[in-house]
Amino acid sequence: DAMVIQNPRYQVTQFGKPVTLSCSQTLNHNVMYWYQQKSSQAPKLLFHYYDKDFNNEADTPDNFQSRRPNTSFCFLDIRSPGLGDAAMYLCATSRDVGGGTDTQYFGPGTRLTVL
Amino acid sequence: QKEVEQDPGPLSVPEGAIVSLNCTYSNSAFQYFMWYRQYSRKGPELLMYTYSSGNKEDGRFTAQVDKSSKYISLFIRDSQPSDSATYLCAMSKSNFGNEKLTFGTGTRLTIIP
Repeated sequence: DAMVIQNPRYQVTQFGKPVTLSCSQTLNHNVMYWYQQKSSQAPKLLFHYYDKDFNNEADTPDNFQSRRPNTSFCFLDIRSPGLGDAAMYLCATSRDVGGGTDTQYFGPGTRLTVL
Repeated sequence: QKEVEQDPGPLSVPEGAIVSLNCTYSNSAFQYFMWYRQYSRKGPELLMYTYSSGNKEDGRFTAQVDKSSKYISLFIRDSQPSDSATYLCAMSKSNFGNEKLTFGTGTRLTIIP
């Protein structure tokens, strides 16, 4: 089945130790997104790629970086995780054909714990 | 004021009841409206997608949009314990792929057997 896959599902890191989360998709969608979701809060968009074009949200901390080496894969790098970065990180994709039902499809998420 | 307001609940109803979940919004530019279901420790799953005002039905689920009141609803008929989840409303100004979704905070729903 076509889907959005995130690895790992659970990640534990130490304060200040860099961590990378990965997302892959078999939907062949042009757009990939990274969201941060804290408990009982709405998903917060960090950035997205439209093909290779990177779009950063204005309030995304510099500590968060992203890479998209090809259509299928996207990575979220947290350079120096703080305790406040503990959250669920969601990857989503959407197709852009204009005029269609181009909504976003989410992966299962990676739950990040910072010790 | 948040762009999208959603009562966080929790909301508990007995099995078989009709559930009504709601969101209000302030930006009249929103044209596309979605409801996502999120089970505990999982990613959101798209349930319903509607454009502009009107109703849309899919099985036990009905989505309703009233743009004049800036109010959207999701109704669940014959609720089941498997419907227990957090329901997030989301909306956007267009349906182009790089358009940002604005989410509500979600309503946690529990269906009691």
